[in-house]
Formats: sequence, C-alpha cells, structure tokens
Amino acid sequence: SQTIHQWPATLVQPVGSPLSLECTVEGTSNPNLYWYRQAAGRGLQLLFYSVGIGQISSEVPQNLSASRPQDRQFILSSKKLLLSDSGFYLCAWSAVRGTGNTIYFGEGSWLTVV
Amino acid sequence: AQKITQTQPGMFVQEKEAVTLDCTYDTSDPSYGLFWYKQPSSGEMIFLIYQGSYDQQNATEGRYSLNFQKARKSANLVISASQLGDSAMYFCAMREAGRRALTFGSGTRLQVQP
Repeated sequence: SQTIHQWPATLVQPVGSPLSLECTVEGTSNPNLYWYRQAAGRGLQLLFYSVGIGQISSEVPQNLSASRPQDRQFILSSKKLLLSDSGFYLCAWSAVRGTGNTIYFGEGSWLTVV
Repeated sequence: AQKITQTQPGMFVQEKEAVTLDCTYDTSDPSYGLFWYKQPSSGEMIFLIYQGSYDQQNATEGRYSLNFQKARKSANLVISASQLGDSAMYFCAMREAGRRALTFGSGTRLQVQP
C-alpha cells in the first residue's frame, strides 16, 4: 500500500532563517506531488505541484520554493522566512491521471515563524 | 468567483443523528470530480468520499453519502448516525479535468454532542 510521510512535524523558526520541509511517498511510482498551506481556521491553498523529477509548477508567487530531486521526494524550502509564512503545510500525492484520482495527504507540518 | 462554497462555518449535531454539510461548486468544465475530506484536531486530512461528474448514482462509503445534485451544482455530505469521533473540520474539494490539483472550500466545523 502507498504511504506518505513528511517532516518535521513541528517547527519554530526565527524570521529570516531558512526552511526545509521534506516529504516522501512509498508504494507508488511517478506520482503527482503537491504542497498545500493552511492558514489558521482557513481552507487549503495550493502552493506547488510536480508531475515529475525536476518539474515544478507554482500556483502562488511567494517567498517559498519547491524541488523534486527524486521521483518520490518533494521538498519545500525558503531562504529567508517571513512572519506570514507561518501555517500548517501539507504534502500530498495522487496517481497521474484522471479527475477521480484521490489526493492523499501527509501528516502535516506546523510552522511558526517568530 | 469562489470555486467551492461551504456556507456553514459551524454545525452541531446530536450523537446518533444524521447531519448534512453543504457544498456548492462552480465550474464550466463538464468533467470534474468532487471530494470530501475530514480534518480532526491532529491536522491530517482524511479522504472520505468521491463523486464524479458523470456518475449516475450518489456515492456512498459506510456512514458517508454524497447528495449530488448536478443541475444545482451542489455536493452535500450526509453523515448518518453521528459519532463523537466525527467532530472535526470537513472540507469539500473539486478537481476539474484540466487541472491536476484540488480546489478546497473554507470548511465546516462539525461538533457532535453526546
């Protein structure tokens, strides 16, 4: 069966420091990968998605970047965090094709920028 | 314009009763999929149920059913025999054929009372 893991689960970082959140998927090949952000009490906002190694699409211009160095690895990064980067970050995966392919989420990472 | 609208920020239901969570959507794409996710306080997003735009019958998964009214563009989630463990945020989401990612509504917080 497929599993998805992301880490760290909780992170408190000072303004201006770098960020790296990692996500890996097991049990599937060539998945679509996603990074979503959820502000407190709000819905999910898509940040990035990837259809293959090195292929990243950005949905919202921002202080963050994403990379996919391996087929089942997705990394969310920032060189200098802003207070507004605080939130709950969720990595997710889906099979490649079809509107019916469910997106499955990782456990999430709570980021607090202080 | 909002793609997904959930008009109920919060709902209360008595244990063992049924509850309906509303969701309306907006798309001009004839092919799309509708999803419901549950987010407990731990933060993880749990997939509940899926309905395709061409599906003739309403989707059901255990105590969850989706009341799909295509002409009205609504996809309400019905939870039968509510349990205390159903207390959580519930998100409606849509994927259109031309897009790989899901668009989420703002969510409904359901509280099941004993």
